[in-house]
Amino acid sequence: EPEVTQTPSHQVTQMGQEVILRCVPISNHLYFYWYRQILGQKVEFLVSFYNNEISEKSEIFDDQFSVERPDGSNFTLKIRSTKLEDSAMYFCASSEAPRETNYEQYFGPGTRLTVT
Amino acid sequence: AQKITQTQPGMFVQEKEAVTLDCTYDTSDPSYGLFWYKQPSSGEMIFLIYQGSYDQQNATEGRYSLNFQKARKSANLVISASQLGDSAMYFCAMRPNNNDMRFGAGTRLTVKP
Repeated sequence: EPEVTQTPSHQVTQMGQEVILRCVPISNHLYFYWYRQILGQKVEFLVSFYNNEISEKSEIFDDQFSVERPDGSNFTLKIRSTKLEDSAMYFCASSEAPRETNYEQYFGPGTRLTVT
Repeated sequence: AQKITQTQPGMFVQEKEAVTLDCTYDTSDPSYGLFWYKQPSSGEMIFLIYQGSYDQQNATEGRYSLNFQKARKSANLVISASQLGDSAMYFCAMRPNNNDMRFGAGTRLTVKP
């Protein structure tokens, strides 16, 4: 069964450093997402991406964040200058069809980001 | 604005019994999807069940069923015949037609032997 993969599974970085979290969505999917989950809290939407551009973003997704699909398979989340409060689990997800409510979003296993 | 509310931070159920996890939502969009995800202690998000706002029947997937009451804006998850492996966090989520999904705060389910 196809699945979303994410690397690394755990990233430790120092405050102020840049990090890039990588995701490989399911190959025939067209919509891509990033979510984050601060430890013990709910999953929060960050951004959705379709047709090589951001389609929606939340208030959390400020200028420190960017997303990119550098090639046909990877989807990346970059945090330019990490802060302690960026420590969280970051989930990538993908779905098959745009603007349809009933398509399941397949989640990756997550990357745990720890900012020290 | 869209809002998802899960009022039960924690629930306990005896093995083999059924349990209902509550979820209410608020949206002005006429078309939306409702989802439940399971998050075990390992952290991954596992899709369980989907209900569309225009679906006439309640969704079922094996031991999972969704008690959808549109007028009350509730989408409770019912797990029948609970198993020890059902112990996890459960998140209700809604995706209106603009395609970004919002999650509730989650309910931690503990199945007791």
